[in-house]
Amino acid sequence: SQQGEEDPQALSIQEGENATMNCSYKTSINNLQWYRQNSGRGLVHLILIRSNEREKHSGRLRVTLDTSKKSSSLLITASRAADTASYFCATDPYSGAGSYQLTFGKGTKLSVIP
Amino acid sequence: DTGVSQDPRHKITKRGQNVTFRCDPISEHNRLYWYRQTLGQGPEFLTYFQNEAQLEKSRLLSDRFSAERPKGSFSTLEIQRTEQGDSAMYLCASSPSGSGNTIYFGEGSWLTVV
Repeated sequence: SQQGEEDPQALSIQEGENATMNCSYKTSINNLQWYRQNSGRGLVHLILIRSNEREKHSGRLRVTLDTSKKSSSLLITASRAADTASYFCATDPYSGAGSYQLTFGKGTKLSVIP
Repeated sequence: DTGVSQDPRHKITKRGQNVTFRCDPISEHNRLYWYRQTLGQGPEFLTYFQNEAQLEKSRLLSDRFSAERPKGSFSTLEIQRTEQGDSAMYLCASSPSGSGNTIYFGEGSWLTVV
C-alpha cells in the first residue's frame, strides 16, 4: 500500500519559474525523503527531513514538514529543463517493530518547458 | 562508480520462465532492499536484508519470489514461473545501519514478461 500522496499528479511550468509539490501521509514518521526519477531510470535521493525538523534547504530545493498536518512540500526554485522528472516523497514510518521499509506515493510528474 | 549496481538492466522473458536479478550494494552498506515499480506508480517495498539476514518481507513477495544475500554482500532476486503481472522495474537499494539514513537506489532492472 502507498501511504504518501503527492499533489499535483502533474505540473507543467516555464523554465525559471518555481515548482511546488505537496505530499500527504497517514501515519507517524521518523523522517520523510524526496526522490527524483528521470523516465526509465532509478531514483535519485534529493533530501531527507527528520520528524523534528520543520524546514530544510539544499541548493535550489526547499522542503517543509508539518507533522501536525501530516504533510510536506518540496519547492524547486528557478527551475531548469533538466529538472523535468517525476518526484516522489517517501516516508519512513515510525514503528516499534523496527520496520525499515520506505513507503512511496505515486509521484508528481514535473515538466519544465525551455 | 561506487553506487548501487543492478544487472541485467533489461530482461524480456516468456511467461513461465524463471528470471534472476543481481544487486551489488554500496560496499559499506549493510542494509539492502528490493522494491518493485510499475508504470505510473511509486516503488513498493518487497524485502529487506540486514547483512545476510532477510528481516522483512512484504505480502507482495509471493512464494514464486525468493531473495538471497549470501555473505551479506550482493543480493539476488529470483522470480519463478513468471507471469505477465510480474512485468515491472525491480529496484535495489542500500543504506548504512542506523535510523534515519538515506537509502540509495540503483538504476533498476526492467522485466517484461511476454
